[in-house]
Amino acid sequence: GNSVTQMEGPVTLSEEAFLTINCTYTATGYPSLFWYVQYPGEGLQLLLKATKADDKGSNKGFEATYRKETTSFHLEKGSVQVSDSAVYFCALTIIYSGAGSYQLTFGKGTKLSVIP
Amino acid sequence: GAGVSQSPSNKVTEKGKDVELRCDPISGHTALYWYRQSLGQGLEFLIYFQGNSAPDKSGLPSDRFSAERTGGSVSTLTIQRTQQEDSAVYLCASSRPPSQETQYFGPGTRLLVL
Repeated sequence: GNSVTQMEGPVTLSEEAFLTINCTYTATGYPSLFWYVQYPGEGLQLLLKATKADDKGSNKGFEATYRKETTSFHLEKGSVQVSDSAVYFCALTIIYSGAGSYQLTFGKGTKLSVIP
Repeated sequence: GAGVSQSPSNKVTEKGKDVELRCDPISGHTALYWYRQSLGQGLEFLIYFQGNSAPDKSGLPSDRFSAERTGGSVSTLTIQRTQQEDSAVYLCASSRPPSQETQYFGPGTRLLVL
C-alpha cells in the first residue's frame, strides 16, 4: 500500500532559524507529493506540491524537492517566522485509474512552534 | 471566491444517536472527498465522489457510515448509532480538472460523541 512517514514533533525553533521537516514515502505507483499546513484554528491549506521526480515545489519561502531515488520530499525554509507556527502534513496521491480517485495519504503531521 | 464550507462547525451528540454532516464544495468542483482527522489515526480518507457517484468508498470504517451527494454539489456524511471512537474532525475537500490532484479543504466539523 501507500504510506507517508514524517518526522515526529513537536519542533521548536527560534525566529530566523533554518527549518527541515523530513518526509519519506512508499507508493505502489508514481505519486504526486504535497505539503499541507494547518494554522491554529484553521483548515488544511495546500502549501506546495510536486508532481514528478526532481520537481521543486515552493511557496512562502518554503521549498521541497521530489527525490525519487530516496523516496523523499523534505520541507525546508531558510528563516522561519513566528507566523509559520502550525502543523505541517506531508501527503501523496496516486490516481486510481479504476475509480479516478485522487485520495490523499497523509503523514501524521509535525507541529512547529517558532519563538521570538 | 467562496471556499469549501462545512456545517455544523461543532457537533456534540450522545452515543447511539445519528448525525449528519454537510459539505458545500467550491462551485464547479466535480470531485469531492471526505476525510477524518483523529488523534490516534491522523488523517484518513473516507470516500470519494465524482459528480453524484461514489466510485471509491474504501475508507468508510463501517456500515454505520454513509454519504451521498446531490446535484453534483452538496454532500452529506451520515453516521448512524454513533460510538465514542467516531469522535474526530471530519474534513471535506473538493477539486476539479485539470488539477484534480490538488484538493481544497473546508474548515471541518468537530464531532464529539459522549
